[in-house]
Amino acid sequence: GNSVTQMEGPVTLSEEAFLTINCTYTATGYPSLFWYVQYPGEGLQLLLKATKADDKGSNKGFEATYRKETTSFHLEKGSVQVSDSAVYFCALTNYNYGQNFVFGPGTRLSVLP
Amino acid sequence: DTGVSQNPRHKITKRGQNVTFRCDPISEHNRLYWYRQTLGQGPEFLTYFQNEAQLEKSRLLSDRFSAERPKGSFSTLEIQRTEQGDSAMYLCASSLARGQGNSPLHFGNGTRLTVT
Repeated sequence: GNSVTQMEGPVTLSEEAFLTINCTYTATGYPSLFWYVQYPGEGLQLLLKATKADDKGSNKGFEATYRKETTSFHLEKGSVQVSDSAVYFCALTNYNYGQNFVFGPGTRLSVLP
Repeated sequence: DTGVSQNPRHKITKRGQNVTFRCDPISEHNRLYWYRQTLGQGPEFLTYFQNEAQLEKSRLLSDRFSAERPKGSFSTLEIQRTEQGDSAMYLCASSLARGQGNSPLHFGNGTRLTVT
């Protein structure tokens, strides 16, 4: 079946540090990949997406590249801010194998000033 | 776009009672999803609707759980004879699907259920 694995948190960084949150997936065929973010006290929001191999999704300084050869979709940001503190979820959906979205367990990021 | 609205925000109930949650999706969205999220975990899929038809249910959805979307707009999720293990955040999400492919989900803020 479809599944998503994320690096365990929490991740604690200083402001302006480089961020990588690893995400790998298992799926048959060609899933679409997503990163969602959940800020404290808020609902999940779409951060970025990629729908085919080698696509790069980007938003708010975050980037992730769909790597089919390594089944990965790692999230990166060159310089984090305190306001980036949140929980980040990697997710996939696989149209030919059901319409539901499968989420990873989430990675909590804390950015210190 | 007023976003996905869920009510109530919090519900505390005693074991064995029935509870019902409501979700109002983004008005033009034809798909509506229910997920459950426990502390430290990602959302787990429960069920989804396309318009008024319930097209997929997870094995997590026991017989005590039922969901409806009678007119293809709002949806309700009912849990009968609640158990302490039902305590979780229940998330609703909607999307606009055209043909093949899945557009991203838009989530509500969730209903937090506590079963005592």
